[in-house]
Amino acid sequence: DVKVTQSSRYLVKRTGEKVFLECVQDMDHENMFWYRQDPGLGLRLIYFSYDVKMKEKGDIPEGYSVSREKKERFSLILESASTNQTSMYLCASSSQKVLQGNLHYEQYFGPGTRLTVT
Amino acid sequence: GESVGLHLPTLSVQEGDNSIINCAYSNSASDYFIWYKQESGKGPQFIIDIRSNMDKRQGQRVTVLLNKTVKHLSLQIAATQPGDSAVYFCANGSGNQFYFGTGTSLTVIP
Repeated sequence: DVKVTQSSRYLVKRTGEKVFLECVQDMDHENMFWYRQDPGLGLRLIYFSYDVKMKEKGDIPEGYSVSREKKERFSLILESASTNQTSMYLCASSSQKVLQGNLHYEQYFGPGTRLTVT
Repeated sequence: GESVGLHLPTLSVQEGDNSIINCAYSNSASDYFIWYKQESGKGPQFIIDIRSNMDKRQGQRVTVLLNKTVKHLSLQIAATQPGDSAVYFCANGSGNQFYFGTGTSLTVIP
Protein backbone atom coordinates (compact mmCIF):
# COMPACT_ATOMS: atom_id res chain seq x y z
CA ASP A 1 0.00 0.00 0.00
CA VAL A 2 1.07 3.54 -0.68
CA LYS A 3 1.94 5.37 2.43
CA VAL A 4 2.07 9.12 2.71
CA THR A 5 3.11 10.30 6.12
CA GLN A 6 3.10 13.76 7.61
CA SER A 7 5.39 14.78 10.44
CA SER A 8 2.72 16.01 12.83
CA ARG A 9 -1.00 15.44 13.31
CA TYR A 10 -1.49 18.54 15.42
CA LEU A 11 0.65 21.65 15.66
CA VAL A 12 0.24 24.92 17.56
CA LYS A 13 2.44 27.85 16.61
CA ARG A 14 2.58 31.53 17.44
CA THR A 15 2.12 34.35 14.95
CA GLY A 16 5.40 35.16 13.23
CA GLU A 17 7.00 31.77 13.81
CA LYS A 18 8.55 29.84 10.96
CA VAL A 19 6.74 26.55 10.48
CA PHE A 20 7.88 23.42 8.67
CA LEU A 21 5.43 20.72 7.62
CA GLU A 22 7.08 17.57 6.36
CA CYS A 23 5.64 14.95 4.04
CA VAL A 24 7.18 11.66 2.99
CA GLN A 25 5.90 9.09 0.49
CA ASP A 26 7.29 5.61 0.00
CA MET A 27 6.07 4.76 -3.51
CA ASP A 28 8.67 6.55 -5.61
CA HIS A 29 6.01 8.91 -6.98
CA GLU A 30 7.14 11.77 -9.15
CA ASN A 31 4.34 14.14 -8.15
CA MET A 32 3.66 15.60 -4.73
CA PHE A 33 1.16 18.20 -3.59
CA TRP A 34 0.30 20.40 -0.64
CA TYR A 35 -3.32 21.41 -0.02
CA ARG A 36 -5.11 23.20 2.73
CA GLN A 37 -8.63 22.22 3.72
CA ASP A 38 -11.03 24.69 5.26
CA PRO A 39 -14.75 24.33 6.05
CA GLY A 40 -16.90 25.35 3.11
CA LEU A 41 -13.93 25.81 0.80
CA GLY A 42 -12.84 22.28 0.06
CA LEU A 43 -9.25 21.44 -0.73
CA ARG A 44 -7.18 24.21 -2.22
CA LEU A 45 -3.84 23.62 -3.87
CA ILE A 46 -0.92 25.54 -2.39
CA TYR A 47 2.07 24.12 -4.26
CA PHE A 48 2.98 21.02 -6.19
CA SER A 49 6.11 19.41 -7.51
CA TYR A 50 6.65 17.17 -10.53
CA ASP A 51 10.23 16.29 -9.75
CA VAL A 52 13.08 16.83 -7.36
CA LYS A 53 13.95 20.52 -7.01
CA MET A 54 10.94 21.45 -9.13
CA LYS A 55 8.01 23.37 -7.74
CA GLU A 56 4.93 25.02 -9.16
CA LYS A 57 2.53 27.44 -7.55
CA GLY A 58 -0.99 26.26 -6.99
CA ASP A 59 -4.04 28.43 -6.40
CA ILE A 60 -3.04 29.94 -3.05
CA PRO A 61 0.77 30.06 -2.74
CA GLU A 62 0.98 33.40 -0.90
CA GLY A 63 2.62 33.07 2.48
CA TYR A 64 4.02 29.62 1.71
CA SER A 65 7.10 28.11 0.16
CA VAL A 66 8.12 24.52 -0.51
CA SER A 67 11.20 22.40 -0.79
CA ARG A 68 11.75 19.14 -2.68
CA GLU A 69 15.37 18.11 -2.17
CA LYS A 70 14.63 14.40 -2.34
CA LYS A 71 12.04 12.55 -4.37
CA GLU A 72 10.27 11.10 -1.37
CA ARG A 73 10.06 14.28 0.67
CA PHE A 74 8.08 17.47 0.09
CA SER A 75 8.17 20.18 2.72
CA LEU A 76 5.79 23.08 3.18
CA ILE A 77 7.20 26.18 4.87
CA LEU A 78 5.32 29.04 6.44
CA GLU A 79 7.96 31.76 6.65
CA SER A 80 6.02 33.84 9.16
CA ALA A 81 2.88 32.13 10.37
CA SER A 82 -0.31 34.16 10.58
CA THR A 83 -3.67 33.37 12.15
CA ASN A 84 -5.32 33.05 8.72
CA GLN A 85 -3.05 30.08 8.07
CA THR A 86 -4.81 28.08 10.75
CA SER A 87 -6.08 25.13 8.77
CA MET A 88 -5.82 21.44 8.00
CA TYR A 89 -2.87 20.79 5.70
CA LEU A 90 -2.91 17.73 3.48
CA CYS A 91 -0.01 16.32 1.54
CA ALA A 92 -0.54 14.00 -1.42
CA SER A 93 1.51 12.07 -3.93
CA SER A 94 0.27 10.71 -7.20
CA SER A 95 0.88 8.06 -9.77
CA GLN A 96 -0.29 7.36 -13.26
CA LYS A 97 -1.30 3.97 -14.56
CA VAL A 98 -2.93 2.61 -17.66
CA LEU A 99 -6.04 0.55 -17.12
CA GLN A 100 -7.93 -0.91 -20.06
CA GLY A 101 -6.14 1.43 -22.40
CA ASN A 102 -6.97 4.56 -20.42
CA LEU A 103 -4.61 6.67 -18.38
CA HIS A 104 -5.67 6.93 -14.74
CA TYR A 105 -4.35 9.19 -12.04
CA GLU A 106 -4.60 8.47 -8.38
CA GLN A 107 -3.68 10.78 -5.58
CA TYR A 108 -2.80 9.29 -2.21
CA PHE A 109 -3.23 11.56 0.75
CA GLY A 110 -1.50 11.74 4.08
CA PRO A 111 -3.49 11.94 7.33
CA GLY A 112 -3.22 15.70 7.52
CA THR A 113 -1.70 18.19 9.93
CA ARG A 114 -4.06 20.42 11.83
CA LEU A 115 -2.16 23.66 12.35
CA THR A 116 -3.35 26.32 14.77
CA VAL A 117 -1.64 29.71 14.73
CA THR A 118 -2.31 31.83 17.82
CA GLY B 1 -9.66 28.27 -10.14
CA GLU B 2 -11.99 25.47 -10.95
CA SER B 3 -15.55 25.48 -9.74
CA VAL B 4 -16.58 22.16 -8.40
CA GLY B 5 -19.55 21.98 -6.11
CA LEU B 6 -21.93 19.63 -4.48
CA HIS B 7 -25.70 19.81 -4.47
CA LEU B 8 -26.19 18.97 -0.79
CA PRO B 9 -23.80 19.52 2.11
CA THR B 10 -25.34 16.71 4.19
CA LEU B 11 -27.13 13.47 3.47
CA SER B 12 -28.67 10.94 5.87
CA VAL B 13 -29.67 7.45 4.80
CA GLN B 14 -30.91 4.33 6.49
CA GLU B 15 -28.53 1.43 6.74
CA GLY B 16 -29.10 -0.89 3.79
CA ASP B 17 -30.53 1.80 1.53
CA ASN B 18 -28.72 3.12 -1.52
CA SER B 19 -27.03 6.53 -1.34
CA ILE B 20 -26.63 9.02 -4.15
CA ILE B 21 -24.22 11.91 -3.81
CA ASN B 22 -24.18 14.54 -6.53
CA CYS B 23 -21.60 16.94 -7.83
CA ALA B 24 -21.55 19.68 -10.47
CA TYR B 25 -18.51 21.01 -12.28
CA SER B 26 -18.05 23.95 -14.59
CA ASN B 27 -15.03 23.25 -16.76
CA SER B 28 -16.09 21.40 -19.88
CA ALA B 29 -12.40 20.72 -20.65
CA SER B 30 -12.10 18.42 -17.62
CA ASP B 31 -11.42 14.91 -18.75
CA TYR B 32 -10.94 13.07 -15.51
CA PHE B 33 -13.09 12.80 -12.40
CA ILE B 34 -12.52 11.22 -9.02
CA TRP B 35 -14.57 10.53 -5.92
CA TYR B 36 -12.86 10.58 -2.54
CA LYS B 37 -14.03 9.52 0.91
CA GLN B 38 -12.73 11.29 3.99
CA GLU B 39 -13.39 9.85 7.41
CA SER B 40 -13.06 11.96 10.50
CA GLY B 41 -9.42 12.63 11.36
CA LYS B 42 -8.08 11.05 8.18
CA GLY B 43 -6.96 12.20 4.77
CA PRO B 44 -9.14 11.68 1.69
CA GLN B 45 -9.16 8.17 0.29
CA PHE B 46 -9.59 7.39 -3.41
CA ILE B 47 -12.86 5.56 -4.14
CA ILE B 48 -13.39 5.49 -7.88
CA ASP B 49 -12.57 7.48 -10.99
CA ILE B 50 -13.99 7.97 -14.43
CA ARG B 51 -12.70 9.48 -17.63
CA SER B 52 -14.70 11.81 -19.83
CA ASN B 53 -15.00 9.19 -22.57
CA MET B 54 -17.17 7.09 -20.26
CA ASP B 55 -20.55 7.74 -18.68
CA LYS B 56 -20.59 4.99 -16.08
CA ARG B 57 -18.07 3.01 -14.09
CA GLN B 58 -18.69 0.46 -11.39
CA GLY B 59 -16.62 -0.63 -8.45
CA GLN B 60 -17.34 -2.65 -5.39
CA ARG B 61 -20.73 -1.36 -4.14
CA VAL B 62 -20.07 2.00 -5.82
CA THR B 63 -21.03 3.37 -9.20
CA VAL B 64 -20.00 6.70 -10.70
CA LEU B 65 -22.15 8.32 -13.36
CA LEU B 66 -20.97 11.16 -15.55
CA ASN B 67 -23.27 13.41 -17.55
CA LYS B 68 -21.06 15.70 -19.61
CA THR B 69 -24.02 17.48 -21.18
CA VAL B 70 -25.06 19.02 -17.87
CA LYS B 71 -21.61 18.73 -16.23
CA HIS B 72 -22.88 16.50 -13.47
CA LEU B 73 -21.22 13.67 -11.60
CA SER B 74 -22.81 11.32 -9.11
CA LEU B 75 -21.66 8.60 -6.75
CA GLN B 76 -24.02 5.78 -5.92
CA ILE B 77 -23.34 3.57 -2.93
CA ALA B 78 -25.32 0.35 -2.77
CA ALA B 79 -26.54 -1.11 0.52
CA THR B 80 -25.06 1.70 2.58
CA GLN B 81 -23.31 0.58 5.74
CA PRO B 82 -22.37 2.45 8.94
CA GLY B 83 -18.73 2.39 7.78
CA ASP B 84 -19.75 4.49 4.79
CA SER B 85 -20.39 7.47 7.05
CA ALA B 86 -17.87 10.08 5.94
CA VAL B 87 -17.45 13.18 3.84
CA TYR B 88 -17.38 12.52 0.10
CA PHE B 89 -15.59 14.81 -2.35
CA CYS B 90 -15.65 14.97 -6.07
CA ALA B 91 -12.64 16.21 -7.96
CA ASN B 92 -12.06 17.02 -11.59
CA GLY B 93 -9.15 17.97 -13.73
CA SER B 94 -7.08 17.24 -16.76
CA GLY B 95 -3.53 16.05 -16.51
CA ASN B 96 -2.23 15.74 -13.01
CA GLN B 97 -3.90 18.69 -11.30
CA PHE B 98 -7.26 18.43 -9.64
CA TYR B 99 -9.91 20.73 -8.23
CA PHE B 100 -12.02 19.57 -5.34
CA GLY B 101 -15.57 20.16 -4.25
CA THR B 102 -16.47 21.15 -0.71
CA GLY B 103 -17.84 17.74 0.23
CA THR B 104 -21.08 16.06 1.25
CA SER B 105 -21.29 14.61 4.72
CA LEU B 106 -23.01 11.22 4.60
CA THR B 107 -24.55 9.87 7.79
CA VAL B 108 -25.80 6.31 7.90
CA ILE B 109 -28.61 5.73 10.36
CA PRO B 110 -28.57 2.22 11.90
